[in-house]
Amino acid sequence: AQSVTQLGSHVSVSEGALVLLRCNYSSSVPPYLFWYVQYPNQGLQLLLKYTSAATLVKGINGFEAEFKKSETSFHLTKPSAHMSDAAEYFCAVTPLSGGYNKLIFGAGTRLAVHP
Amino acid sequence: EPEVTQTPSHQVTQMGQEVILRCVPISNHLYFYWYRQILGQKVEFLVSFYNNEISEKSEIFDDQFSVERPDGSNFTLKIRSTKLEDSAMYFCASSESLNTEAFFGQGTRLTVV
Repeated sequence: AQSVTQLGSHVSVSEGALVLLRCNYSSSVPPYLFWYVQYPNQGLQLLLKYTSAATLVKGINGFEAEFKKSETSFHLTKPSAHMSDAAEYFCAVTPLSGGYNKLIFGAGTRLAVHP
Repeated sequence: EPEVTQTPSHQVTQMGQEVILRCVPISNHLYFYWYRQILGQKVEFLVSFYNNEISEKSEIFDDQFSVERPDGSNFTLKIRSTKLEDSAMYFCASSESLNTEAFFGQGTRLTVV
């Protein structure tokens, strides 16, 4: 069965620093990959998605992620953290067949941004 | 901006009671989903629903659970006889089609006591 591993349940960065949130998937066939963000008391919001087009995917709020098949990774980055980026981030995967809303989520990474 | 709305935001119920969690998907969406997140655990897929029937469900979605679209706007998740382990955040989502982005609601926190 497919699974998603997010390394680091909590990540803390200073404002202006690089954000790197790690995600590895297990799949014999490259899946569709997603990053969602959850701000306090809000629902899950799609940040970006990889659906077998360009390997470097740009999303909202300055985030981007790179699909690396050789490493089975889809890490999320942002060059310069902002206080408003503090939230929980979820990596998710879905198989190519059957539609891409039967999502398998990682455990989530809570990002804290300090002044 | 259109959004998925869920009610109530928090529900407390006694073990063994039936609960209905309500969702209003985005109006032109055709696919509907329920996910749940037990505190401290991963968000898990429960069920997908299309054309008035379940299209896919997970192992979690046993006979205690049911979904319904009782009218043109609501999408409900019913838990027939709640257990303590049903305590979780339940997310509703909807999408235009099978291969377009799902939009999630804010969730309903269900607490079973």
